Amino acid sequence: DSGVTQTPKHLITATGQRVTLRCSPRSGDLSVYWYQQSLDQGLQFLIQYYNGEERAKGNILERFSAQQFPDLHSELNLSSLELGDSALYFCASSVSRTGSEKLFFGSGTQLSVL
Amino acid sequence: SQQGEEDPQALSIQEGENATMNCSYKTSINNLQWYRQNSGRGLVHLILIRSNEREKHSGRLRVTLDTSKKSSSLLITASRAADTASYFCATRAAGGSQGNLIFGKGTKLSVKP
Repeated sequence: DSGVTQTPKHLITATGQRVTLRCSPRSGDLSVYWYQQSLDQGLQFLIQYYNGEERAKGNILERFSAQQFPDLHSELNLSSLELGDSALYFCASSVSRTGSEKLFFGSGTQLSVL
Repeated sequence: SQQGEEDPQALSIQEGENATMNCSYKTSINNLQWYRQNSGRGLVHLILIRSNEREKHSGRLRVTLDTSKKSSSLLITASRAADTASYFCATRAAGGSQGNLIFGKGTKLSVKP
């Protein structure tokens, strides 16, 4: 058990809908990272938050947004969903701002857009 | 875009054999990490090697890093069926956006009992 909790584990929705994925980092970790894993694109970095503030941005679509709350949990919001958004979404956490050490991953949310 | 590329994409061996996976990357790095993923599960960190290190060991794992060739290798010795998983290298670029750990597409290892 990595100590990173992601909910829900599975999500099935329709095109055009909006969903929210939730992540609770390991106790004491201030950084939260979101990754998307699909068969064709592999593991893509989306965004990082550190202590409530956006720290780094990757290949995150404009239809997607995220935030980190004062209790350090994070939410990833995906809107106007398309079939191609079907993927496994991972949250990871680390202690530092730079993330120069290892990441601890949650077990992921499997999103299916029908 | 992918920073690291693993080779081979898939590897099938017998239990007890050694497994070697390679990773090449494009830019200067701060460190290189290897992760393991069991089917559909979260990634688990295996080992981290810094840019000023050439070799590192952890149990049955041996990682080498050649910054002049921008490549790394992961060796799993005396493999077990439980080692069946996908293995990813991940690099953190030197300078720039420090929060951005970039993963390769992985090597799928199958260890047959």
